[in-house]
Amino acid sequence: DTEVTQTPKHLVMGMTNKKSLKCEQHMGHRAMYWYKQKAKKPPELMFVYSYEKLSINESVPSRFSPECPNSSLLNLHLHALQPEDSALYLCASSRASGVDNEQFFGPGTRLTVL
Amino acid sequence: AQSVSQHNHHVILSEAASLELGCNYSYGGTVNLFWYVQYPGQHLQLLLKYFSGDPLVKGIKGFEAEFIKSKFSFNLRKPSVQWSDTAEYFCAVILTGGFKTIFGAGTRLFVKA
Repeated sequence: DTEVTQTPKHLVMGMTNKKSLKCEQHMGHRAMYWYKQKAKKPPELMFVYSYEKLSINESVPSRFSPECPNSSLLNLHLHALQPEDSALYLCASSRASGVDNEQFFGPGTRLTVL
Repeated sequence: AQSVSQHNHHVILSEAASLELGCNYSYGGTVNLFWYVQYPGQHLQLLLKYFSGDPLVKGIKGFEAEFIKSKFSFNLRKPSVQWSDTAEYFCAVILTGGFKTIFGAGTRLFVKA
């Protein structure tokens, strides 16, 4: 199974809402990532978890809160977002050690903040 | 600073034409190199990757890329494009064994039938 799944596919939320994005993989990968992709732009790295510990936070605003409850799951908790946070949010996973750090991407959650 | 440059932002080709998309990077250390494709409305898919060894790597759907270390380049090629190759192509670089991927700005390819 080389699939990364993400739920929901689409999410519309108001600026006062709290919501969560979910990501799951069963490839035995111990590194998991959140990216943000705006239209016609490349993905931008937000967070990296390695062995369930936060390894990289690319100075992301605190209204985005990641969580890695186990080696297969990655969540992104959203609170008090702004309209400019509307984007495609991509999850990815990879091996956490060794030479081969190819990242496998999920289909993304398209988020609209009203 | 670490960066990845893709020289062509928009490319329009007719079917059967040859394709070459440029990618240059600025990155200290040993790197792994990737080309990803994103078809309209779909998620990122890996086309090919280079870690070490033969600098000419072959990927899916007839794509290949050549790593030229002295030029810090990893250009993507395909001898004969098809209408179905219409997509956005991203070059990406990551330190070997690292986590932080730097993506190029992307190249939008449109193939006329």
